[in-house]
Parts: sequence; C-alpha cells; structure tokens
Amino acid sequence: AQSVTQPDIHITVSEGASLELRCNYSYGATPYLFWYVQSPGQGLQLLLKYFSGDTLVQGIKGFEAEFKRSQSSFNLRKPSVHWSDAAEYFCAVGGGATNKLIFGTGTLLAVQP
Amino acid sequence: EAGVTQFPSHSVIEKGQTVTLRCDPISGHDNLYWYRRVMGKEIKFLLHFVKESKQDESGMPNNRFLAERTGGTYSTLKVQPAELEDSGVYFCASSQVAGASTQYFGPGTRLTVL
Repeated sequence: AQSVTQPDIHITVSEGASLELRCNYSYGATPYLFWYVQSPGQGLQLLLKYFSGDTLVQGIKGFEAEFKRSQSSFNLRKPSVHWSDAAEYFCAVGGGATNKLIFGTGTLLAVQP
Repeated sequence: EAGVTQFPSHSVIEKGQTVTLRCDPISGHDNLYWYRRVMGKEIKFLLHFVKESKQDESGMPNNRFLAERTGGTYSTLKVQPAELEDSGVYFCASSQVAGASTQYFGPGTRLTVL
C-alpha cells in the first residue's frame, strides 16, 4: 500500500538549534517527493521537491532534504531554526499520470526562544 | 500572478444542509485537485480534474459529494446533505501538468457541520 509516515507528531527545538524532520514512504513506482509547510492561518506552501537527479535538494527558507532510496526516506533538515519556522510540516509522495499526493500526518514544530 | 483561491474561508452549517465550496486555480493550470483534512488525520486526496474532465475521483467519500469544473476554470465541491463527519479543512490545488509537477495549494476552507 502507498503511504507516508512522519513518526514525530510534535517536535520542540530551541531557536538556533538544528532540525531534522523524518519522513518515510512506501510507494510502488518512482516517487515524486515533497515537503510542504503550513503556518497558522495559512495554506500549504511548498518548501522543496524531488523528482530526479541530485538526491540532496535545496528549498526555500534554508531547508534541505535528502532522498535515500535504500531507506525509503526523505528527511527534512535545517541547520539553524528561526522562531518563524514554527508551523506544521507535511511530507508527501506522488507519481504516475495523476500525481495525486499522499500525505503524512504532519509534524508540528514549536520553537523555544 | 494570483495564487489558488478558495471561498469561503470558513463555513458553519447544520447537519443535513447543503454547502458549496469554490476553488479558483492559478490561471492556465489545467490540473485541479481537491483534498481534505479531517481533524487529527492526514490530508487525503479527493479527486483530480484535467480541464473539465474528472481524471480520478477515487478519493470521494460517497455520493453526497459532487465536484464540478464547468468550462475548465473554477471548480465547486458540493456536499449534500452534510453530515458531522464531513467537518474538516478542504484544500484545493492546481498544477500546469500532472506527473512531475508542483501542486500549488489554496488556503483551504474550514467546514464545520453541527
């Protein structure tokens, strides 16, 4: 079955600390992988995506993610978290002709001063 | 360029009533998707339009939900009659093409059924 797992429901980090949000997927074909962020009162904003090529992808706001096929993972990282990064983060996988997205349950990030 | 817009932003209705949600995709985007997030759960795919044609409606929960995209521009999602379990946030997204393409999401419509 196709699925996305985000094992951390809530994460709290201190401002300036590094961050890694985990994402594992199960998908039968070549996956397209995405990270979206939803800030309070806002819609989903694309942080970064992977379709093919270099497995380390850079996104907006200083985020990056690495596609590891052998581990079926696409973890999101940021070296130094800012208070404005507090939001909910969603990993998603898509593919095929339709590219309908399958989302994880989301990780809610809190940033301590 | 305007992003994906959705109307209304919030809707509160009684069980048994009808509600219609609207989505305006980014201009020129042929592909339009509807998703829903029920509280505490993941965001789930409902259906996919290419222009005015439904390509995949495998995620529609039941026949109380009707989606249309007349003329291949904006789309509506009607729930009739609404039930308590229909409460959640309904997202619309659009993309230029399907396949390896980014979907741009709207802000969502929060539906509360009392």
